Amino acid sequence: TQLLEQSPQFLSIQEGENLTVYCNSSSVFSSLQWYRQEPGEGPVLLVTVVTGGEVKKLKRLTFQFGDARKDSSLHITAAQPGDTGLYLCAGGGYQKVTFGIGTKLQVIP
Amino acid sequence: NAGVMQNPRHLVRRRGQEARLRCSPMKGHSHVYWYRQLPEEGLKFMVYLQKENIIDESGMPKERFSAEFPKEGPSILRIQQVVRGDSAAYFCATSQTGANVLTFGAGSRLTVL
Repeated sequence: TQLLEQSPQFLSIQEGENLTVYCNSSSVFSSLQWYRQEPGEGPVLLVTVVTGGEVKKLKRLTFQFGDARKDSSLHITAAQPGDTGLYLCAGGGYQKVTFGIGTKLQVIP
Repeated sequence: NAGVMQNPRHLVRRRGQEARLRCSPMKGHSHVYWYRQLPEEGLKFMVYLQKENIIDESGMPKERFSAEFPKEGPSILRIQQVVRGDSAAYFCATSQTGANVLTFGAGSRLTVL
């Protein structure tokens, strides 16, 4: 079973601060996805990274896939209260995707 | 296109009763995945289905749990003789091409009294 470890599990920051959350595994993944989940809702896909070393930007969010395709990071610049939520990384193949336990982010106005 | 529809959103059952959770995929999506989420455990894969076929049920408990995706109608996750430990949020995700791009429903929250 491919396991994904996310850190930190909880993060509380002030509006305007920058932050980075991490997703690590001992296994190689063909791709990794990042999702955001808000309370009472299902996860929503933010991005998929496929190539080792790949960097993708989504407004203030920057996603990076490690060169060895075993880890990924999500950096948020100038966090806003609307960024509050549970950030999940996921990886796997065609038939089954494994999720990390998530980083619960709270951005305080 | 209303996205992935799950119902009921909330379900309360007493121990020993049956729970049926339904999932209607997005239009054009033929792959259905069921996940269970508990606060301390994250999202756990349960089962992957395509129309009329169970492809991977390696995450399903051996007893009391079953899933189907009939030719017509929604996918159904059925839990028989529920116990308190079955209380969780159950999410359905669907895909057009496979597990790399999943669209999730809003989930069904089961509470067993």
